Amino acid sequence: SYELTQSLSVSVALGQTARITCGGNDIGRKSVHWYQQRPGQAPVLVISRDRNRPSGIPDRFSGSNSGNTATLTISRAQVGDEGDYYCQVWDTNAVLFGGGTKLTVL
Amino acid sequence: EIQLVESGGGLVQPGGSLRLSCATSGFTFGDYAMHWVRRVPGKGLEWVSGINWNSRERGQADSVKGRFTIARDNAKSSLYLQMSSLKPEDTALYYCVKDYGSGWYSPFDFWGQGTMVTVSS
Repeated sequence: SYELTQSLSVSVALGQTARITCGGNDIGRKSVHWYQQRPGQAPVLVISRDRNRPSGIPDRFSGSNSGNTATLTISRAQVGDEGDYYCQVWDTNAVLFGGGTKLTVL
Repeated sequence: EIQLVESGGGLVQPGGSLRLSCATSGFTFGDYAMHWVRRVPGKGLEWVSGINWNSRERGQADSVKGRFTIARDNAKSSLYLQMSSLKPEDTALYYCVKDYGSGWYSPFDFWGQGTMVTVSS
């Protein structure tokens, strides 16, 4: 079965750029969505279909997808960006989530 | 404003049953696929089940096949999850989730706050 691999944690200095990756076999052929979940809150869609930002999501959030890696990039990281980030794809009529990456802003 | 409000969670013994409900408002419910996603405490997100706009297509995770059933009532703008033969590993916060589209392959654009299910003796 298809698997998505994410690093457990990523740390970034305040104001710097964070990159969160999602690995999968030939994931570049799939459409990847990204969700942010702040502590105690419901998940929020931050990037859809590899690189599209939903309304209300700051342009500091961007996405890319190629080969075996999809990447969520957060520029000018803020304390409010801390939380868990999940990638998600569809595979043979089932939804798969990556294991999640905890982002810490130092 | 789109709202998804889950209810029906609680404490249940292993082998027991529970029915979750999700009342929605702020959008045309019958136009969109809907899903249940859970988060096990201390772990990540897991998709549980999904249903397309007219109930003709349903999907579910292997971990709940044969035990959980998703359903919807478009007239009541409500989504349901009937859970039976519950196991301790089903303990999680269950989210009601709106799909961006009417069928599969779209992202999930709105999430409820969740209802907690605890399976324990």
